[in-house]
Amino acid sequence: QQQVKQSPQSLIVQKGGISIINCAYENTAFDYFPWYQQFPGKGPALLIAIRPDVSEKKEGRFTISFNKSAKQFSLHIMDSQPGDSATYFCAAFLSGSARQLTFGSGTQLTVLP
Amino acid sequence: DAGITQSPRHKVTETGTPVTLRCHQTENHRYMYWYRQDPGHGLRLIHYSYGVKDTDKGEVSDGYSVSRSKTEDFLLTLESATSSQTSVYFCAISEGRLGETQYFGPGTRLLVL
Repeated sequence: QQQVKQSPQSLIVQKGGISIINCAYENTAFDYFPWYQQFPGKGPALLIAIRPDVSEKKEGRFTISFNKSAKQFSLHIMDSQPGDSATYFCAAFLSGSARQLTFGSGTQLTVLP
Repeated sequence: DAGITQSPRHKVTETGTPVTLRCHQTENHRYMYWYRQDPGHGLRLIHYSYGVKDTDKGEVSDGYSVSRSKTEDFLLTLESATSSQTSVYFCAISEGRLGETQYFGPGTRLLVL
């Protein structure tokens, strides 16, 4: 089954705190895991991505942690800011004949000032 | 939005009428995708294209058809619109060798009455 489960559905964090969003997948053939950020009325924007041969990737305040054995990956937003308030989607890509991204259901993040 | 435009941006139509949405890119990328976004479902792939006149079905292709006669244009047609096709439709393009790194357009909000 090509499913990606994302949690929590919504998250409220104080300014300066750490936001953590989790995703789990079932298909071990997935080989690319991006995170997207979406503001209201806009298209999703690629934020950061990781491949399964790496356990962690950091870009600025955003870090992906990847646990291949548990089939889980998470997004950590350090020093969360009100401008980070958006909906975040995890996704997983299958590069075989299917060649498509499967998305999680999204997490609405609110960072309080 | 990574050189992607979608038209129209908003459309209201009636049940049973055909609707065509257009995606235009200026990046000369090989892969193009159509997704729909609905609350609680994240983004779901409708159809994708891996070259001119080369298309394939995604997860939710029933009731939709696509065409790609030029590299820069990818059309999505709702053959006979239904209320269940009320959604926000996003086009994406990919620069990745396998189509994994996807960039999204601004979206088309479609309401079927």
